[in-house]
This record gives sequence, structure tokens and C-alpha cells, in this order.
Amino acid sequence: RKEVEQDPGPFNVPEGATVAFNCTYSNSASQSFFWYRQDCRKEPKLLMSVYSSGNEDGRFTAQLNRASQYISLLIRDSKLSDSATYLCVTAGTASKLTFGTGTRLQVTL
Amino acid sequence: DAGVIQSPRHEVTEMGQEVTLRCKPISGHDYLFWYRQTMMRGLELLIYFNNNVPIDDSGMPEDRFSAKMPNASFSTLKIQPSEPRDSAVYFCASSLAPKEKLFFGSGTQLSVL
Repeated sequence: RKEVEQDPGPFNVPEGATVAFNCTYSNSASQSFFWYRQDCRKEPKLLMSVYSSGNEDGRFTAQLNRASQYISLLIRDSKLSDSATYLCVTAGTASKLTFGTGTRLQVTL
Repeated sequence: DAGVIQSPRHEVTEMGQEVTLRCKPISGHDYLFWYRQTMMRGLELLIYFNNNVPIDDSGMPEDRFSAKMPNASFSTLKIQPSEPRDSAVYFCASSLAPKEKLFFGSGTQLSVL
């Protein structure tokens, strides 16, 4: 079983829609959680950290459910520029991050 | 303010040849990571360094792969001999602290024919 699992998509949504991605992780000792964004043929960049109480950054909301071992990302009012691959990332007790294979989002007119 | 710098951006080589990828981390970052990305397996951690010392190389596929960090501002990932299955994008990343925000370089697209 992969340590971090994501639905690869693609999720095709119209501009202005709300879309949500989930990600499950297998290591119950995971301590830190993040969402990274990767544009086509570019490097991954941090989108936001995920905190236990849930957190929001503009149109983006991240939530963590430790009991079920999943994290989620909600994007409201989708923009064309949100089209990208979203990578779920966890960090366990070791000093390294584990990346999911990503969920591709395509926002259309 | 320069980010993580990787070279070359693209590398095309023939099977059996030696390949050397280079990385300059952000100044002051104590952690350096080498990742490989493929469509099938996503981003895989190959090795990481803390203060120039290799900490975990469990992700290095086999003995054909080696990595060094001779000083705080330079690291190399070497593949010798290269094979077609090594074709991938190789990313270098650095961070101030473990499990904190990673800053990635632009990557090296490696094609082994």
C-alpha cells in the first residue's frame, strides 16, 4: 500500500465551481501535512500547510482528519489559473516528506 | 534572491554513459533533498543531506546511483552506468529545517536512450 494515496483525476470543473480533493495516508505517526501545487513541466511549490484544526487561505481550505487518516483540500470559486496538479504531502518521524502522486485539476471556461 | 539552482535543465544520453546532475541549494538551508519524478511513481525521495552529511539514502535505487555534497553550496547526483529506466525528472530541493517548506529547483529532465 502506498504511504500517501490520491485520486489522480483529472477533475474537470467549470470556472467558479467548488472542487474538493481527498488524500489518505497510511502512517499513523505522520506529524505534518501539506498541499503542494505543481504546474505542467514545473517544480512543485508549497500551497499551504494543513493544521489539525483546519485552516483557510483565501479560496483554499485544508482539513485534517487524524482518526480516518485523510486530509482534504477545498477550492472555492475556481479560476482558470488553478489548473494544476495538487500533491498531498505528509511527514512522519523521520526528517523527510512523502509525496502523493497528485490529483490533476483542469478548470475550464 | 536566487532559489535552488539545478543544471543541466535537460540531459540526453545513451545507455551506459555516466550522468552527473548538479544542485546549488538556497544559502543557509541546512537540508538538501534529491527527488525523482515519473508519471507512474510520482515524486520519490532518493537521498537527503543535513549539513552536508548524507542522512538517509534508502531511496537510492541501486549502486549505480551516488550522491555527494562536498560543501554547503553544492551537491551532485551521479548515475553510472545509466539505463533507459532512469529516464525521469530529477529535482533537488532544500529547506531550513526538516519537515518544513521545501524549495525545489527547476529540475533536470533526463532521457537515457
